[in-house]
Amino acid sequence: KQEVTQIPAALSVPEGENLVLNCSFTDSAIYNLQWFRQDPGKGLTSLLLIQSSQREQTSGRLNASLDKSSGRSTLYIAASQPGDSATYLCAVRGDDKIIFGKGTRLHILP
Amino acid sequence: DTAVSQTPKYLVTQMGNDKSIKCEQNLGHDTMYWYKQDSKKFLKIMFSYNNKELIINETVPNRFSPKSPDKAHLNLHINSLELGDSAVYFCASSQRSRGFNQPQHFGDGTRLSIL
Repeated sequence: KQEVTQIPAALSVPEGENLVLNCSFTDSAIYNLQWFRQDPGKGLTSLLLIQSSQREQTSGRLNASLDKSSGRSTLYIAASQPGDSATYLCAVRGDDKIIFGKGTRLHILP
Repeated sequence: DTAVSQTPKYLVTQMGNDKSIKCEQNLGHDTMYWYKQDSKKFLKIMFSYNNKELIINETVPNRFSPKSPDKAHLNLHINSLELGDSAVYFCASSQRSRGFNQPQHFGDGTRLSIL
């Protein structure tokens, strides 16, 4: 049974710093891994999707990596801004199901 | 031109009532999903329909009955609402026929509060 873990559960970082969010999964038989952002009281915004055959994806200040064999993914945020404050969710796709982690609540200190 | 839209956005009702949440997608996708996000913000799949046929049912109480009148709609009807049903319900869609590597697109969620 697939389990997705995100560490840390919460993180506070001064503005301007680079940071890394971690995601690990127990079953490496995945089709893809997706990082989402969720603002308080809002829906999910897809940030990056990495296919199982890929090792990383980049979008602006965001870079997501995937190491399927070790069951790990990281989301790197460069030059953090207060607007980056949100909950970041990692989700892995296996067949029809997406299994979500419990998220990392990120707070960027101005 | 919202891709996945859910109504209502907020739903406040009393215990024991029956309510429905509607979801529509205009992406031409063949598969739709319902997820539940509990008070601890944990997102978990409930149902999945492909071309109006149920393909995933994740041990959800019988009080929850999804209905898919066509590929673009997946509604969620809940009978005899209980306090534990309070959560945010997310609808999503994807194009399953193109493979399991396709992304899922999510709606903005319906916040259900049971009094």
